[in-house]
Amino acid sequence: NAGVTQTPKFRVLKTGQSMTLLCAQDMNHEYMYWYRQDPGMGLRLIHYSVGEGTTAKGEVPDGYNVSRLKKQNFLLGLESAAPSQTSVYFCASLLAGANVLTFGAGSRLTVL
Amino acid sequence: AQKITQTQPGMFVQEKEAVTLDCTYDTSDQSYGLFWYKQPSSGEMIFLIYQGSYDEQNATEGRYSLNFQKARKSANLVISASQLGDSAMYFCAGQNFVFGPGTRLSVLP
Repeated sequence: NAGVTQTPKFRVLKTGQSMTLLCAQDMNHEYMYWYRQDPGMGLRLIHYSVGEGTTAKGEVPDGYNVSRLKKQNFLLGLESAAPSQTSVYFCASLLAGANVLTFGAGSRLTVL
Repeated sequence: AQKITQTQPGMFVQEKEAVTLDCTYDTSDQSYGLFWYKQPSSGEMIFLIYQGSYDEQNATEGRYSLNFQKARKSANLVISASQLGDSAMYFCAGQNFVFGPGTRLSVLP
C-alpha cells in the first residue's frame, strides 16, 4: 500500500547512544516533515525538507540532524540520545501544492 | 511563522449533540490555510478538513465543518451529531504545518 513508512516502530536507547529513524514514502511527495509528540501534547516540528538535498529547522531542532539524500527518504538522527528525547516521532509527507499531510504510524523512542 | 492556539485542553459532549472545538491563529500572511487532524487512542493522525484563507465558504466534510472567522483569526471545528468514535485528540494546524497543543474530546453515552 502506498503511504509513509517509519522504521523502527519501537526502540529503547541508553543515554549517549546514537540512532537513526527512517521515513520512506512512495508517493513522490516533495515535502517531508519530522515531528515529535510528548505524552498529552501536540506535535512539534523538528526538521522538514522541501526537496531532495534540502533540509530546514523547525520549532525544536536541537539534538537532531536530518538528511534527504533521496526524494523518497527522510532520515532523523540522534547523535547522543538524552532522556528528554523520549517521545513518539511522526514523519509526514506532502505533495507540492496539496493541502493534506500524509502521516506515518509513528516511532516510539525511549531513552533510559 | 503562524502560531496556533487551542485553549480547550479537554471537552465533553453528549452523544448525538454538536460540539465546537476552538482554534485561533496568528499570521501576517495574506494567503494561508488551516487544517484539523484527529488522533484517536490508537495514535494515527487522521486528516479531517481544510480551509483556505481565500475560500469564500466555510469548509464542510460530512459531519465536520469549519467555522472560519477571518477577522477574529479563528477556525473552529464543529462536529455535528457526535458519536462515541469521535472521542480523540483534535489538533488544529496552520499552513506551515505547525500544530496547536490539541483538545481532548470525550463523547459521553
